[in-house]
Amino acid sequence: DARVTQTPRHKVTEMGQEVTMRCQPILGHNTVFWYRQTMMQGLELLAYFRNRAPLDDSGMPKDRFSAEMPDATLATLKIQPSEPRDSAVYFCASAPVGEPQHFGDGTRLSIL
Amino acid sequence: GESVGLHLPTLSVQEGDNSIINCAYSNSASDYFIWYKQESGKGPQFIIDIRSNMDKRQGQRVTVLLNKTVKHLSLQIAATQPGDSAVYFCAESGSSGSARQLTFGSGTQLTVLP
Repeated sequence: DARVTQTPRHKVTEMGQEVTMRCQPILGHNTVFWYRQTMMQGLELLAYFRNRAPLDDSGMPKDRFSAEMPDATLATLKIQPSEPRDSAVYFCASAPVGEPQHFGDGTRLSIL
Repeated sequence: GESVGLHLPTLSVQEGDNSIINCAYSNSASDYFIWYKQESGKGPQFIIDIRSNMDKRQGQRVTVLLNKTVKHLSLQIAATQPGDSAVYFCAESGSSGSARQLTFGSGTQLTVLP
């Protein structure tokens, strides 16, 4: 089965460092989503793209977070500078237009 | 703001019994609903979805029921198995467009007892 691939699976770093998370969506899926999951807030949508163009990033703290799709096979989520409150599991999901989203297994991020 | 919520945070069932997981939503404009299963250390896995023009949809061992009058959604799992133990999320979308932005509920932990 085709899968959404996320790297790294785990990341531990000190506050102030730049963090880059990567996602390879399923081939042919033209919509890509970034979510953050915490115990307190659950699953929150950060941003999503259609055909590599950002459609909505209102869920993302703009001052430190940025999301891009350099090409159709790669989506990135960057945090600079990172803070302890950014510790969470970050999920990428992809979908064809109008179809259910398929999730990757996430990047577990810990900011010390 | 409007949100999707779950009635029970935990549910324990005996292996072989049927499970029912409930979900309430508050956005009357929602026209698409979906259930995901999340196992420990993994991402949410699609189970079944339903559009607002339907009130019931069946899959393999699962059935989703939608009651738009009371804004309630349920997931029924027949003959629950140990592998069904996971957190189950309902999500809704108020977008009739193709982006399918989802708002997730807080999740129900299903535990299957031997």
